Amino acid sequence: GAVVSQHPSRVICKSGTSVKIECRSLDFQATTMFWYRQFPKQSLMLMATSNEGSKATYEQGVEKDKFLINHASLTLSTLTVTSAHPEDSSFYICSVKRGGRWDTQYFGPGTRLTVL
Amino acid sequence: GQQLNQSPQSMFIQEGEDVSMNCTSSSIFNTWLWYKQDPGEGPVLLIALYKAGELTSNGRLTAQFGITRKDSFLNISASIPSDVGIYFCAGQLGETSGSRLTFGEGTQLTVNP
Repeated sequence: GAVVSQHPSRVICKSGTSVKIECRSLDFQATTMFWYRQFPKQSLMLMATSNEGSKATYEQGVEKDKFLINHASLTLSTLTVTSAHPEDSSFYICSVKRGGRWDTQYFGPGTRLTVL
Repeated sequence: GQQLNQSPQSMFIQEGEDVSMNCTSSSIFNTWLWYKQDPGEGPVLLIALYKAGELTSNGRLTAQFGITRKDSFLNISASIPSDVGIYFCAGQLGETSGSRLTFGEGTQLTVNP
């Protein structure tokens, strides 16, 4: 069964609005979650690492004020795209890290964001 | 930074054929992972490799962690139409790097029935 869920699966919004995407770890508590974006026919690009109870760590070139990440519990992380613009249209995917010996990441089903 | 070279970029094969794809890195990884992504979906973990030289199978899939820790390959035997998708390799250094994954560019597999 699914290990990670994302909501919504797709969203269309107007330019200038904010959009929140939820990522839930279903099978285990995840102290660390990751947010990726993927453009068509490209690989996944890590945007930020979300740590429960602390500030997210953003990759170089990713605006932290534009992509707000909140990891309020061990099973939920949210990504808010603020003041979205058409160039923010992309496929956003989260992953959860299963720690310990099995240091493996499991990915959510993704959220397709289209900004008009 | 680390880079992963994944090849081939795309493959067109007939159903029943075997497939091989590989990834090479300019530096070492402590974990190699192989994922499959269907259109509009997130990547699904196929095989995880944790030890240099490790050879692991998952059904018709076999993957190996290169002995130098700088490469990995994935083989698919007796391909079927549902094998169609994009296959990604990913390398991970481990806790010291925050468990960040470095992804290859992907191999687009097409299987003709």
